[in-house]
Order: sequence, then structure tokens, then C-alpha cells
Amino acid sequence: GESVGLHLPTLSVQEGDNSIINCAYSNSASDYFIWYKQESGKGPQFIIDIRSNMDKRQGQRVTVLLNKTVKHLSLQIAATQPGDSAVYFCAENILYNFNKFYFGSGTKLNVKP
Amino acid sequence: DVKVTQSSRYLVKRTGEKVFLECVQDMDHENMFWYRQDPGLGLRLIYFSYDVKMKEKGDIPEGYSVSREKKERFSLILESASTNQTSMYLCASSSGQRETQYFGPGTRLLVL
Repeated sequence: GESVGLHLPTLSVQEGDNSIINCAYSNSASDYFIWYKQESGKGPQFIIDIRSNMDKRQGQRVTVLLNKTVKHLSLQIAATQPGDSAVYFCAENILYNFNKFYFGSGTKLNVKP
Repeated sequence: DVKVTQSSRYLVKRTGEKVFLECVQDMDHENMFWYRQDPGLGLRLIYFSYDVKMKEKGDIPEGYSVSREKKERFSLILESASTNQTSMYLCASSSGQRETQYFGPGTRLLVL
């Protein structure tokens, strides 16, 4: 299978600070990426997506950056709040494999009050 | 609002039992998926379905089967449960190819 990984398994930030969660992918044919948030006891929840024809996409308090040169994806959360505490993981989709997404194992974000 | 429901949040079964996990979506989505989630491994695709009565194997189909008799319902079947099938099982649905997948809350299965 494809490799979708994360640099850090756990990230602790102070409330109000910005958070950056990273993801590396290995397949240069991947052209669609999604970030999910999974709170304890719940299923993954869509946060934001980006296609490979873009370098950056912004949502509400979140920004995803895509660097295709080094096959790297990041999720930036502005003014992190306690409600942001969760596991975040990225998923990639490859052009010739429409229905299959490959998921990373996730980064746990702890927000300290 | 998008909604995917799974029949059980927690299940405890014995080795050799036949196990049914049910998933229902109310969004009229074409595609439905079953994943298992294990610590450190991320989500792994077991099976997916792109239409009623249609199914395709994912990355780890061994020991599982699926059924999709109605558009809104996708069932995962463990024919003879084994301890290595202890896991969190997540169902998802999407409106089409490469569209966002919406997940249910998951079923945590323990096989003794």
C-alpha cells in the first residue's frame, strides 16, 4: 500500500497558540488530500481538503499547505482551542484509484489551558 | 445534515462466532466503505461498494465479507471471528468517486 505518515505522534500546544501538524506522503501520483479530525470515541470528521493543483487552501481557522516537491502536507490551526484536542490524520487519493484513500496513523494534539 | 450510523458502539464476541456490523447512511450516497482502525496503523480499507449489490475488495478483505442489498445499508460480516479481528470498525459513505467520505462513530469489537 501507499505510505502516508506523520512526523510527530503527539503534539502539545498552549491554548491560543498556532498548531502545525505535518504529513508526508510517498506517492507522487497522489493528487487529492484530506485532513480529518477524530475526537475520542467518535468517527473521523472532515476538516479540509486540497487538490494538487493548489499549494494552499484556507478554511475557518485552518490552513492546509501542500508541497509537492517534497511530498509534504501540513495542517495549520490558528488560535488553538481546547476543543481542537483530537487525533488528526491526513489521507491521500491517487489519480488512478478513485475510491481508495490511504490514511496516516495520526497525530494526537493536546491543547493545554 | 450528513449522518452515518452504525448499529453498535461496542461488541464482545467469542472466537468462531459469526458477526454482523451494520451501517446506515441517510444521504443517498452511492459509495460506502468499511475500514478497520488499529493503533499506529491508520485506517485500512476492508471493502467498499459503489452501488447496490456491487462490492470491491479493499486492502485487507481476508476474513470478511459484505452485503449491500439497499442503497442506504452496508453490512460487514465476519464469518468466523478471530482474536486478530479485535479492532475499531468504521463505516463511511461518499456521494461519488474522490468525494469526501463521511464516517460513522465506529464499532469497537472485542473477540475473545
